[in-house]
Amino acid sequence: EPEVTQTPSHQVTQMGQEVILRCVPISNHLYFYWYRQILGQKVEFLVSFYNNEISEKSEIFDDQFSVERPDGSNFTLKIRSTKLEDSAMYFCASAGPSGMEFFGPGTRLTVL
Amino acid sequence: GQNIDQPTEMTATEGAIVQINCTYQTSGFNGLFWYQQHAGEAPTFLSYNVLDGLEEKGRFSSFLSRSKGYSYLLLKELQMKDSASYLCAVREPTGGGNKLTFGTGTQLKVEL
Repeated sequence: EPEVTQTPSHQVTQMGQEVILRCVPISNHLYFYWYRQILGQKVEFLVSFYNNEISEKSEIFDDQFSVERPDGSNFTLKIRSTKLEDSAMYFCASAGPSGMEFFGPGTRLTVL
Repeated sequence: GQNIDQPTEMTATEGAIVQINCTYQTSGFNGLFWYQQHAGEAPTFLSYNVLDGLEEKGRFSSFLSRSKGYSYLLLKELQMKDSASYLCAVREPTGGGNKLTFGTGTQLKVEL
């Protein structure tokens, strides 16, 4: 069964550094998403991406964040100048024409 | 504003039936999803309702009333492995597609 994959599973970085989180969506899906979940809190929408551009972003997704689909399979989230409060699980999701979103296993980001 | 409410915690007995309620007030509505999330893992899709009524899928059923802004997830023949957080999420239309807005989740504990 096709699934969304994410790498790395765990990323540790120093405050102020840049990180890139990678996702490979399900191959025939066209809608891509990033969500985050701070420990003990709810899942929060960050950004949606369709047709090679951002279709919606939340208030959380400020200039510190960017997304890219550099080739036909990868979908990345870049976080510049990381802060302690960026520590969270970051989930990538993709959806096909039905709109049902399937989540990847997540990347646990720890900012020290 | 957006508001999705579900109980924080529930406890039930193995073999029993449990109903997890969710009420929502969102600016738009394009379907309601239920996800299961085990600690430290990604949300996994359980069910989806876009029209009023009951959707049944094995041991899991989900009900939606759009006029009341209400849904429930019904779990039958509970098993110990059903101990997890159950997330209610509303899909809201956006300028370029959709996004999911999640509730805080209901932590279900299944006991012997």
